[in-house]
Amino acid sequence: AQSVTQPDIHITVSEGASLELRCNYSYGATPYLFWYVQSPGQGLQLLLKYFSGDTLVQGIKGFEAEFKRSQSSFNLRKPSVHWSDAAEYFCAVGAGGTSYGKLTFGQGTILTVHP
Amino acid sequence: GAVVSQHPSRVICKSGTSVKIECRSLDFQATTMFWYRQFPKQSLMLMATSNEGSKATYEQGVEKDKFLINHASLTLSTLTVTSAHPEDSSFYICSARSDRSNQPQHFGDGTRLSIL
Repeated sequence: AQSVTQPDIHITVSEGASLELRCNYSYGATPYLFWYVQSPGQGLQLLLKYFSGDTLVQGIKGFEAEFKRSQSSFNLRKPSVHWSDAAEYFCAVGAGGTSYGKLTFGQGTILTVHP
Repeated sequence: GAVVSQHPSRVICKSGTSVKIECRSLDFQATTMFWYRQFPKQSLMLMATSNEGSKATYEQGVEKDKFLINHASLTLSTLTVTSAHPEDSSFYICSARSDRSNQPQHFGDGTRLSIL
C-alpha cells in the first residue's frame, strides 16, 4: 500500500527566507506525486505535479519540487517566501493500475510566515 | 484551468436530517470523482470513488448506506449524508479528474457540515 510522510508538522520562516518542505513516499512502482496547498476553511489548490520526465518540477507561485527516486522524496522548495504563502501544504502520491487516480495524502505541514 | 464547484459551502442542520452535497466539474468531463473527509487539524481521508454510470467504490470502514453517492452525469457527483448525527460533522471535500491521461485531481472548496 502507498503511504506519504511529511515529517514536519509545523514550520515557521521569516518573510523573504527560503523554504523547503519535506515529503517521503512509499510506493511499489513509479509514483505520481503532487503538492497541494490549503488555506483555512478552503479546498485544495494544486501547486505542482510529477508524472514522469524531468525530476525538477516547476509549479505555480514560484514553487518547485524535486523527485529523488533513490531517497523516495519529493521535497517542495521556494527561494523566497511571501506572507501570503502561509497555509497548510499537503504532499500526495497517486496510484496507478486499477486504483488509478486515488490519492494518499501526507499529514500536512502548516507554514507560518513571520514579517 | 480546471474548476470544480462544490455546494453548499456550509450546512448546519438538526440530527436526523439528510444532507446532500454537490460536486461539479465546470469546464471538463470527469468520469471519476472522489469524496474526502477532513477532521480538524488532520489530513484528507478518501471516503469513496464516484464512478459515472456505476456504483461508487467505498474505502474500508466507510458506511455506504450512510454516505450515498450518485454520479449521474460526467460533470456532477452528489454525496448524501443520510440521517446525519453529530459525529458526522466534518469538512467534506470533493475532487474531480479529467478523463484525459496524466491529469491531476482538482478540488472543490469543501463543505463544512455541522450537525446539532
